[in-house]
Amino acid sequence: KAGVTQTPRYLIKTRGQQVTLSCSPISGHRSVSWYQQTPGQGLQFLFEYFSETQRNKGNFPGRFSGRQFSNSRSEMNVSTLELGDSALYLCASSIGTAGVGTQYFGPGTRLTVL
Amino acid sequence: AQSVTQLGSHVSVSEGALVLLRCNYSSSVPPYLFWYVQYPNQGLQLLLKYTSAATLVKGINGFEAEFKKSETSFHLTKPSAHMSDAAEYFCAVSESTDKLIFGTGTRLQVFP
Repeated sequence: KAGVTQTPRYLIKTRGQQVTLSCSPISGHRSVSWYQQTPGQGLQFLFEYFSETQRNKGNFPGRFSGRQFSNSRSEMNVSTLELGDSALYLCASSIGTAGVGTQYFGPGTRLTVL
Repeated sequence: AQSVTQLGSHVSVSEGALVLLRCNYSSSVPPYLFWYVQYPNQGLQLLLKYTSAATLVKGINGFEAEFKKSETSFHLTKPSAHMSDAAEYFCAVSESTDKLIFGTGTRLQVFP
């Protein structure tokens, strides 16, 4: 069974631009969670989607948004990029909701904002 | 609210020595506890998880962790370190159906 895939793997943007990251969960998984990983802040929860509904959200500004499609694929969007948004963005999927079901992580998208 | 504390951002051991990575949690209800490993330029891989069954949990690659409620700890151990164990390790906690909260990570170095 294929693992969690994330595209693109690397991305370079400039301040003020917007970016969309994509995550394809493991087949049959209905929950997708997104995390931001930086050297200073560590792993921080962004949001979780389950059956196309956002069921949990972390403490991030409204510039960060996401959605989930009927096939469970998820996208994350960041608008008006800031230098501090440079990070590794990780997506994780699980059969059930996050916290109960084991989360399986993708390789991440490395975003660099110049 | 739940939280996780990982003592020691860096741990160094010799190959063949005992690995001990510390994790203490705070939770108002019986928690789910996890250990993940991250190799350079990769995502996180689940090592093991505790879900209130056995207090001693065995994971992949020879790692195990013991849930100690009285000490609110979930330390990760491996009897004999291997060079390939060098990576960053994250402890995480969740309460019921809530999100995962990660610790700040411990980077393990293994010297020959």
